[in-house]
Amino acid sequence: QQPVQSPQAVILREGEDAVINCSSSKALYSVHWYRQKHGEAPIFLMILLKGGEQKGHDKISASFNEKKQQSSLYLTASQLSYSGTYFCGTEEVRNDYKLSFGAGTTVTVRA
Amino acid sequence: GAVVSQHPSRVICKSGTSVKIECRSLDFQATTMFWYRQFPKQSLMLMATSNEGSKATYEQGVEKDKFLINHASLTLSTLTVTSAHPEDSSFYICSANRHDLAKNIQYFGAGTRLSVL
Repeated sequence: QQPVQSPQAVILREGEDAVINCSSSKALYSVHWYRQKHGEAPIFLMILLKGGEQKGHDKISASFNEKKQQSSLYLTASQLSYSGTYFCGTEEVRNDYKLSFGAGTTVTVRA
Repeated sequence: GAVVSQHPSRVICKSGTSVKIECRSLDFQATTMFWYRQFPKQSLMLMATSNEGSKATYEQGVEKDKFLINHASLTLSTLTVTSAHPEDSSFYICSANRHDLAKNIQYFGAGTRLSVL
């Protein structure tokens, strides 16, 4: 089951913050976040496992609320390099390895 | 880091021909790899799970005779698009699963853009 991502797109100026949400109707074991730039491979950002943990990657962090089957990605003090399409991938079954990806959120950071 | 190489990056072929795409994990072993298809400005749609030493598992609606997958070693999976037609034109991306400290992380190749004339 494909998770639902919101918003579809966001435009930021350098230094601004943004939040991207990912929700599933299924119970989740883990949530994975990726960023993809046009014509390139998705780059792994972070993984969040059950336990409500928050992870960080420079000024990009994320949270996972497994009770609500929701995850949020936080872009803090955005940089031009943050531009790209962000995908959440959800793993429903432990060690199944399969991920279902959301439709993506396109982030454009302008100077 | 975990590096996955995908080759070729771009291929143009005539309708009716077959095209093989390779996916290699360069610095780790991957018993499981995945093949995705991505349409412009859309998400990654899983086509099949490639398992080393066994048959691939295809998602619903994906023709296994059309998209042949072979995972002959712990570092290589191949996708062959047989008798390609214009509707098969797309961006194909592979990923390799790396198991690390109880976490399973997929690392992606750079993708192959297939254009069928």
